[in-house]
Amino acid sequence: GAGVSQTPSNKVTEKGKYVELRCDPISGHTALYWYRQSLGQGPEFLIYFQGTGAADDSGLPNDRFFAVRPEGSVSTLKIQRTERGDSAVYLCASSPTVRPETQYFGPGTRLLVL
Amino acid sequence: DQQVKQNSPSLSVQEGRISILNCDYTNSMFDYFLWYKKYPAEGPTFLISISSIKDKNEDGRFTVFLNKSAKHLSLHIVPSQPGDSAVYFCAASNSGGYQKVTFGTGTKLQVIP
Repeated sequence: GAGVSQTPSNKVTEKGKYVELRCDPISGHTALYWYRQSLGQGPEFLIYFQGTGAADDSGLPNDRFFAVRPEGSVSTLKIQRTERGDSAVYLCASSPTVRPETQYFGPGTRLLVL
Repeated sequence: DQQVKQNSPSLSVQEGRISILNCDYTNSMFDYFLWYKKYPAEGPTFLISISSIKDKNEDGRFTVFLNKSAKHLSLHIVPSQPGDSAVYFCAASNSGGYQKVTFGTGTKLQVIP
């Protein structure tokens, strides 16, 4: 079956621009997570959705970052007024349970802010 | 504040020998630990886990050891194979609630044929 897909796979933008990153989870997975992996670091938690609602957004670094999951399936991570420090790989994971070993990760979107 | 630390950024091992990857954590609330494997251009995939009530968990060639008093865990791969070459992330969570995962910085393992 299809895994977690993320689009685009690569995104280059200019400082100050707005970007949207999309995540298509595995069908039926109620939990969805966004992580950010900066160069030389491990994935860093951003936000967790259970269904349509953001159950934990404590990892979002500031109010330029926002994520939605309006129908409980596809999610979009939105970044306003991008900064060079936002350059990273943004990973999405979905899960049928709350157990971490059941999180299935997508390949990520590599964002480069020039 | 790095709550999960992997102090070795890279490791090279001959094929057939044992690979030992180490991880330390600082948060005493962590009670569930995981290892993930990541190939280039792919997301991490779950490899093996251990609960804090155990000190060892084995799955085929992979064994994870947990030393709670030292806040240290290690992943042993034996025998190592070239296909094991990847970045390995140690991760930890608290089994209460939805188990938010905190990752280490990763160790890049190269298995030399």
